[in-house]
Amino acid sequence: NAGVMQNPRHLVRRRGQEARLRCSPMKGHSHVYWYRQLPEEGLKFMVYLQKENIIDESGMPKERFSAEFPKEGPSILRIQQVVRGDSAAYFCASSPTDSNQPQHFGDGTRLSIL
Amino acid sequence: GQQLNQSPQSMFIQEGEDVSMNCTSSSIFNTWLWYKQDPGEGPVLLIALYKAGELTSNGRLTAQFGITRKDSFLNISASIPSDVGIYFCRHGSSNTGKLIFGQGTTLQVKP
Repeated sequence: NAGVMQNPRHLVRRRGQEARLRCSPMKGHSHVYWYRQLPEEGLKFMVYLQKENIIDESGMPKERFSAEFPKEGPSILRIQQVVRGDSAAYFCASSPTDSNQPQHFGDGTRLSIL
Repeated sequence: GQQLNQSPQSMFIQEGEDVSMNCTSSSIFNTWLWYKQDPGEGPVLLIALYKAGELTSNGRLTAQFGITRKDSFLNISASIPSDVGIYFCRHGSSNTGKLIFGQGTTLQVKP
């Protein structure tokens, strides 16, 4: 049973480029969550998605950031026109049903902006 | 907004010592969970609590869901070097996915 798979593990982008982070949830999980973690800090909620629906995006910046979880394929967190402040570890988690259930995390994508 | 206060922020202890950390909130929740994050990895669930007053153990780890539903603590007995990491508490709500994590407790164990 594969866990939550995130790729790439490390991503380097120059300022102004686009970053695409992928997350494949655990088998049988239809709920996906994205978090951002800055060095020496905790996990900050960004967005909660079900298949083809955004349930809660209150933690995601209004500009440049978007997320999707299509019917087929992984969930994508997209950051357009990246800036230095976007450098962080981005974690994806999944759960089988609602958000009250324990979430299982991937190992994250470490985004570095040059 | 909702916040979790997790303490202590960090601990540096001797191998074999017991450890205790806790999380408090001004709001009532139905779920408390504890995670551990090793360097360079994602958080891993340690213990999940669903009932006020619940006391649950997982090996050397014990966690309790406070009677008031506003707090939880995690104890680690007889610490070993592999206990090193960051421990996070989390509460859950079934209404939205906006799940709040505590700031984390960084544990270092001296052999």
